[in-house]
Amino acid sequence: DTGVSQDPRHKITKRGQNVTFRCDPISEHNRLYWYRQTLGQGPEFLTYFQNEAQLEKSRLLSDRFSAERPKGSFSTLEIQRTEQGDSAMYLCASSPRLDRYNEQFFGPGTRLTVL
Amino acid sequence: KNQVEQSPQSLIILEGKNCTLQCNYTVSPFSNLRWYKQDTGRGPVSLTIMTFSENTKSNGRYTATLDADTKQSSLHITASQLSDSASYICVVGGATNKLIFGTGTLLAVQP
Repeated sequence: DTGVSQDPRHKITKRGQNVTFRCDPISEHNRLYWYRQTLGQGPEFLTYFQNEAQLEKSRLLSDRFSAERPKGSFSTLEIQRTEQGDSAMYLCASSPRLDRYNEQFFGPGTRLTVL
Repeated sequence: KNQVEQSPQSLIILEGKNCTLQCNYTVSPFSNLRWYKQDTGRGPVSLTIMTFSENTKSNGRYTATLDADTKQSSLHITASQLSDSASYICVVGGATNKLIFGTGTLLAVQP
């Protein structure tokens, strides 16, 4: 499968714990995005990487959130001291270097439940 | 404020029938508009992408239209199938790489 992959698919954690999600983009896609989606809503932009550089972060990305893409390939999103409001689907998307439409290909998401 | 609004919020149709979903946007500057299909518990999958110079694009039984003057788009689904049951999200691309998502229309196709 050459699509965007995310791991884990589901994560249940207790409030106050730290969690880390991984995203593997489509090979040779230099742009990578993280989104958060709550039930009944469309995805909301969190952050964006071009290669290993984090070029943009949303206000939604509080100090408890950190994202990395150390080698310009896979990315991780860490949430520290999780809160119940962090419960959501976390989506990763990637897009190729030269693309007229900046088409973004989404992964299956990681469903986070904070108890 | 950049916004994308979709209607209806939800829709139930019988298998084999056609339906049309609506999208209005107030995104400026406008770069492109896309429709995504999102199955429950899955990531969105792109159906169509249009720039301001394109006013219609088809992908199988899906046909999207765009009126850049009135800032409206529609997605028409022909001869619906049970597998069309999903959320359909209208997404507008602005001047940067950021996409602005609508809240989606939840479509249920019943036998």
